[in-house]
Amino acid sequence: AQRVTQPEKLLSVFKGAPVELKCNYSYSGSPELFWYVQYSRQRLQLLLRHISRESIKGFTADLNKGETSFHLKKPFAQEEDSAMYYCALIYSGAGSYQLTFGKGTKLSVIP
Amino acid sequence: DAGVIQSPRHEVTEMGQEVTLRCKPISGHNSLFWYRQTMMRGLELLIYFNNNVPIDDSGMPEDRFSAKMPNASFSTLKIQPSEPRDSAVYFCASSLDRGREQFFGPGTRLTVL
Repeated sequence: AQRVTQPEKLLSVFKGAPVELKCNYSYSGSPELFWYVQYSRQRLQLLLRHISRESIKGFTADLNKGETSFHLKKPFAQEEDSAMYYCALIYSGAGSYQLTFGKGTKLSVIP
Repeated sequence: DAGVIQSPRHEVTEMGQEVTLRCKPISGHNSLFWYRQTMMRGLELLIYFNNNVPIDDSGMPEDRFSAKMPNASFSTLKIQPSEPRDSAVYFCASSLDRGREQFFGPGTRLTVL
């Protein structure tokens, strides 16, 4: 069965320090990976997806199929980055659909 | 578009009572998802619909949970009878297609006493 693992429930970093939120997945096919973010008192929203290969709010994530990872990175953390981050895997193909979210990592950026 | 709309935003009820959560997806989206969020388990997919048809309800915890989507603009998640362990935030999300970006509602915070 597919699985998404976010090993850290809580990650605290100082403002200006680099951030890396880890995400590992297990799936034998070719899934699509996403990062969703939930700021305090706001809706869960898409941050980025691996196929777009773009940087959003300074965050990037590279899909590493060899290590089955999709870690979220930002070189310099800002206070407004404090939020809950979820890694998600979707596989949508003929006759098959898999959707799994990780348990989330709470990022706290210390001023 | 106001986005995905959920009601009520907060619900406090007593054990044994029936609870109905409502969701209005974004117009034009053909996939709808119900999630439950707790501290212990994180975000769990309960059920999803494609073109108003339930496709996968394997995440529904027990027979006490049921979900319907009578038309493209409305879905309900019902818990009958409710139990304290059902206390959680329930999210509804919709997407243009099941493989696309999901847009989440604000959630319903359910407390069962």
